[in-house]
Amino acid sequence: NAGVTQTPKFQVLKTGQSMTLQCAQDMNHNSMYWYRQDPGMGLRLIYYSASEGTTDKGEVPNGYNVSRLNKREFSLRLESAAPSQTSVYFCASIMDRGNDGYTFGSGTRLTVV
Amino acid sequence: SQKIEQNSEALNIQEGKTATLTCNYTNYSPAYLQWYRQDPGRGPVFLLLIRENEKEKRKERLKVTFDTTLKQSLFHITASQPADSATYLCALVTRAGNNRKLIWGLGTSLGVNP
Repeated sequence: NAGVTQTPKFQVLKTGQSMTLQCAQDMNHNSMYWYRQDPGMGLRLIYYSASEGTTDKGEVPNGYNVSRLNKREFSLRLESAAPSQTSVYFCASIMDRGNDGYTFGSGTRLTVV
Repeated sequence: SQKIEQNSEALNIQEGKTATLTCNYTNYSPAYLQWYRQDPGRGPVFLLLIRENEKEKRKERLKVTFDTTLKQSLFHITASQPADSATYLCALVTRAGNNRKLIWGLGTSLGVNP
C-alpha cells in the first residue's frame, strides 16, 4: 500500500530551467493537492484538483502549472524556475474532507540556483 | 487579521510525562480541526480530526480538545515516549459556504527525553 508517491525526491535546477514534479496516489481519492513548505511560512497551497478533470489555484500559484492526468496522477510543472521556488514540495490527497485527513507524499526537495 | 498560532518554541519533556500542545485561531468560523505529525524530511501524517460540535476526541495515547469559545484546540500525548519526538501541525478547516479553506499552523517541535 504505497499511498502517495512523489518523484523525484531531490532536484537541483538552474534558473530558467523547467521541470515537472510527479505525484500518484493509489487510494482512489477524489481530491489532490500541491503544497510548498518553507521555514517560517508553513504549508502553502499552490494548486488543487477537487476531482478528475478540474484544477484550481491555491494561495501561491504564480510560476506553476498543474495537470490532473487521471484520477491517480496530479503533476506540477515549473516552466521557468526561479530561486524563489527553492522549497520542499508536497503532494497530498483526500477522499472526504469532512471525515478524513490528508495523505501526504514524502516530498521533493527542490533547489534552484 | 485571520491567523492560526501554535507554540513557536520547542517543547521538551521527560519520557512518561504528558505533552500538551496548543493551537489558537482568530477570526475563523471553524468546521473542524486536524492534527498532524511531521518528522524531519518527511510529509505530514494525519493523526486526529475533531469537529466544531465535538469537545474531545481520543485515539490510543492521543487526546484532542476543541473549545470554539476560547478558539483553541489542545493536543495531548500521554505516557510520552522518545519516539513521539517530532513536529506537530494543526490545520483548521473554515466554514465558507462551499468554498472551505484549510489553514495550517507552523507547527510545534516536541522533544521527549529518555
